[in-house]
Amino acid sequence: AQSVTQLDSQVPVFEEAPVELRCNYSSSVSVYLFWYVQYPNQGLQLLLKYLSGSTLVKGINGFEAEFNKSQTSFHLRKPSVHISDTAEYFCAVSDQGGGFKTIFGAGTRLFVKA
Amino acid sequence: DGGITQSPKYLFRKEGQNVTLSCEQNLNHDAMYWYRQDPGQGLRLIYYSQIVNDFQKGDIAEGYSVSREKKESFPLTVTSAQKNPTAFYLCASRPRSLGNTIYFGEGSWLTVV
Repeated sequence: AQSVTQLDSQVPVFEEAPVELRCNYSSSVSVYLFWYVQYPNQGLQLLLKYLSGSTLVKGINGFEAEFNKSQTSFHLRKPSVHISDTAEYFCAVSDQGGGFKTIFGAGTRLFVKA
Repeated sequence: DGGITQSPKYLFRKEGQNVTLSCEQNLNHDAMYWYRQDPGQGLRLIYYSQIVNDFQKGDIAEGYSVSREKKESFPLTVTSAQKNPTAFYLCASRPRSLGNTIYFGEGSWLTVV
């Protein structure tokens, strides 16, 4: 069975500072990895995804994530955050075998302070 | 525009009443999902469907029911058997392709009083 652990429930950071949101997963098979963002009272939007190839994945809004197979991690980073990045961020995993289940982490609330 | 439409956005119901949340997609996606979101608990899978007339229980299916009579539609009924139904409900869909990206609707708030 797959699982996703987001190591921080809340991350406060000052505007223009760098941020890293941590995600670890467990799976017995090869996986696809995703980061989604959710603004208040809205659905989730895809930020980026890792399917194969380069382990550094770039997404929208200046975010990027690095897949580390040996550490089973997929941490999300941004070099300089803005107030508008305040939101909840979810890491997710699904297996590459074509299964239709996607498992989400509990989420990390990013709070950007002025 | 293509997308996933959930309705209603906000719904209030009395305890003991069944309520149905609508989800329609015009993306021609094969798979559809219902997730429940509670503060601090992330998303929990209620039901999912890979094809018309077929669906599977997720992790928290008790007290819920679904149908998939059309590819575009996947309504969720929250029954009186669901002990704590107040939550934010998210419908999603996914194409049958490698990469497995899920697309979400805007969500429905259900409050049971």
